[in-house]
Amino acid sequence: AQKVTQAQTEISVVEKEDVTLDCVYETRDTTYYLFWYKQPPSGELVFLIRRNSFDEQNEISGRYSWNFQKSTSSFNFTITASQVVDSAVYFCALSEATGGGFKTIFGAGTRLFVKA
Amino acid sequence: GAVVSQHPSWVICKSGTSVKIECRSLDFQATTMFWYRQFPKQSLMLMATSNEGSKATYEQGVEKDKFLINHASLTLSTLTVTSAHPEDSSFYICSAREPGLRYEQYFGPGTRLTVT
Repeated sequence: AQKVTQAQTEISVVEKEDVTLDCVYETRDTTYYLFWYKQPPSGELVFLIRRNSFDEQNEISGRYSWNFQKSTSSFNFTITASQVVDSAVYFCALSEATGGGFKTIFGAGTRLFVKA
Repeated sequence: GAVVSQHPSWVICKSGTSVKIECRSLDFQATTMFWYRQFPKQSLMLMATSNEGSKATYEQGVEKDKFLINHASLTLSTLTVTSAHPEDSSFYICSAREPGLRYEQYFGPGTRLTVT
């Protein structure tokens, strides 16, 4: 069974601080996909990144970076020099094959507050 | 990128009435669509998976007769909340998948349902 754990319920930082959001997952499949989404107050999900299980290369996109480690089943997300606009709920998600398709489940989410 | 729309974006209805929410893929054909429900400050919970032309597959604990899903065309899926009650008040989000891209999902902006 697939499971995604985001142990941090809420994080509060001051602008310009770096912050890391943790994500630990469980799956029995060898082929799976991991995602991070941002959900601002408007509610609409914003796609941030997708990683497949065969690609452990870390990725950096501007102030965002992701660290994927299969050995610890973790897919952590770091925001460097945080800004007030980064305040949102961030979801880690796991998609694995099931019955010929892929089903995605979400972690509980981490609510990030960035104070000016 | 692919766009998914939902209509309405918000709806208020009286207890006992039925409400229909539409999910459309605007620039691609979606053989598979998903419906999620999100209660305030909680994660997205997958309710059901619908495949065009066949019956929806509901997740455990989701009442099929209460949440009617119809995926009659490759660009439209509808969720009807029948005999709505205040506890059905929630944020409903759909997502759509393109054929051949088993892991990619495009999310709609969500529909906020309030049952009074």
